[in-house]
Formats: sequence, structure tokens, C-alpha cells
Amino acid sequence: DIQVTQSPSTLSASVGDRVAITCRASQSISSWLAWYQQRPGKAPKLLIYKASSLESGVPSRFSGSGSGTEFTLTISGLEPDDSATYYCQQHDSFPWTFGQGTMVEI
Amino acid sequence: EVQLVESGGGLVQPGGSLRLSCAASGFTFSTYWMHWVRQVPGKGLVCVSRINSDGSSTNYADSVKGRFTISRDNAKNTLYLQVNSLRAEDTAVYYCVRAADSTGRLHWGQGTLVTVSS
Repeated sequence: DIQVTQSPSTLSASVGDRVAITCRASQSISSWLAWYQQRPGKAPKLLIYKASSLESGVPSRFSGSGSGTEFTLTISGLEPDDSATYYCQQHDSFPWTFGQGTMVEI
Repeated sequence: EVQLVESGGGLVQPGGSLRLSCAASGFTFSTYWMHWVRQVPGKGLVCVSRINSDGSSTNYADSVKGRFTISRDNAKNTLYLQVNSLRAEDTAVYYCVRAADSTGRLHWGQGTLVTVSS
């Protein structure tokens, strides 16, 4: 199985800050990486697909970068509504694997 | 618009069974691989099973192999997960997920909660 290591596990920041979350895959996954936002009791919401493509309707302050084994989700200009847990997911091979999650506190 | 609607979850005793369903619409269901992903409340996401577009090939996580069966009915645009010999550790929200299209975009349902408890 491809291991996906996400960091940090918790992130505390202020409104307006620029923050970054990193995912590292144990082997190359090309650009088959997605980023999600999840609020308690809700399904994961797709933010970024194919490593850097912004999902329709997602604010442009969210951006993704990377390929191969190293990926980053950046939130530029944190807003209170961004408090949530963020996950990365590789879907290059089965079983899909997910990062452990990053709880963003504002 | 792609829609995936899960159903069939509920409270079941240890050793019991359930059949989860996922009704798909808004895309050509018969051309996509489909997955089930689960999430223990308050924990991370885990891929459970996948099935190819015509149902001829399936894969399972080791933790559910021999107890869970994934299937699909392309005429009814519906994905299934038969869950047997349920254990407390199977308590989770089960999500139906469509594999990526040519753009790399995936689609998730809203999930159905399975609670295994006596």
C-alpha cells in the first residue's frame, strides 16, 4: 500500500494568515492527489483534484501544488469559515490511502 | 450533476448483516469504477473496497476480506456493499465514491452510518 504522511496534525493560525499543509507519498503517485475539507458530521468536501486543480465553487484562496511524492495545500488569507479538518488522498492505486488529517484552528 | 446517495445503514448487533446501497445519477454509471470508503466517527478515512465498471473485478481491504462483498447493478445505477459478520470496529460512516474522471475529479456521497452494538 502507498503510505501518505500528512503534516502538521494540528495548525493554529489567525484570520488572514497564509498556511500550508503537506502530504508525502511513499512512492510516486504522479498528480493523483486530492485535498478535502471536512466539518464534523459532514462528508469530505473536495477542494483540489489532480494535485492543483481547484474544484468548482471553492474559493480561490485554496491552492494545491506538487507532483510525484510531495504535495502542498495552501490557504492564503485564512477566514473563520476555514476551521475544519483537511485530508489528502492518493488515488493512484488501490487501496486509496489518506493522510491522517490536519485540524485547522482559527 | 453527479449525485451519489447512500442508504441502508443502521444499528445492528455484533455478528449481524446489512446491505448498503448507493444510488447514482448524473453520469454514465456503467463506465466508472466505484469505491466504498469508511470513517470511524472522529477518526480518519479508510478505503474498504472497489469494483470495476462491469462488476467483474473486485478488491477489498484486508480488514474486511471475506466478510464484505461489493457489487453493482448497472441497469439500476446502484452500487452495493453487503456487510456480514459485523464487529464493533466496523462502526463507521460508509461513503460511496466514484473514481476519477478524465479531469481527475472524484465524487463522494453523503454517507450512511453503520453502528454495531448490542
